[in-house]
Amino acid sequence: AQKITQTQPGMFVQEKEAVTLDCTYDTSDPSYGLFWYKQPSSGEMIFLIYQGSYDQQNATEGRYSLNFQKARKSANLVISASQLGDSAMYFCAMREVNNAGNMLTFGGGTRLMVKP
Amino acid sequence: DSGVTQTPKHLITATGQRVTLRCSPRSGDLSVYWYQQSLDQGLQFLIQYYNGEERAKGNILERFSAQQFPDLHSELNLSSLELGDSALYFCASSVGRTGGSEQYFGPGTRLTVT
Repeated sequence: AQKITQTQPGMFVQEKEAVTLDCTYDTSDPSYGLFWYKQPSSGEMIFLIYQGSYDQQNATEGRYSLNFQKARKSANLVISASQLGDSAMYFCAMREVNNAGNMLTFGGGTRLMVKP
Repeated sequence: DSGVTQTPKHLITATGQRVTLRCSPRSGDLSVYWYQQSLDQGLQFLIQYYNGEERAKGNILERFSAQQFPDLHSELNLSSLELGDSALYFCASSVGRTGGSEQYFGPGTRLTVT
């Protein structure tokens, strides 16, 4: 069963505007972590932001913030003041922690295109 | 630069062949993870090693194997390659074995099977 859902395959945003990338997740574990990664056309995976399930406040990192709504099981990424360099694929991921390991489960990704 | 290195960057080989992908984790990280990114399957977790021991297994085929050496570098061996094995293979590393430590990804090895 798919555990991370990103419903927007592609999005456009005007330069300097804010954009929200959606992510919903499914888990029965009370302890989990949610991540966003950026993958530019060069292919590398760049860690952006992390939210723990017990964190009281929404995570922020510079122009990135995570809108965490636990009851709705959503963890949307908000990018403020979009820049041309933000054009990339964005992946939401969830860390499932069990006694053995620490694997990430990824969503299908959203391709963001910033228009000048 | 995440501090995780992977070699080679690109690899082109024929069906039925065997290849080895290499990963060096960030200094101080004890866990190494392997992920496969393909058009069909998206990004999938393959396997995790912690301090030389296998810790978690995902959707890794029996034709694939991995190990982590005493110096903590890891190798992913892919054998009897098929066209469908063409993908971007990422290595990631983290300090810990379980939750509480972020995973940082290497640049990936792009494997093309012809």
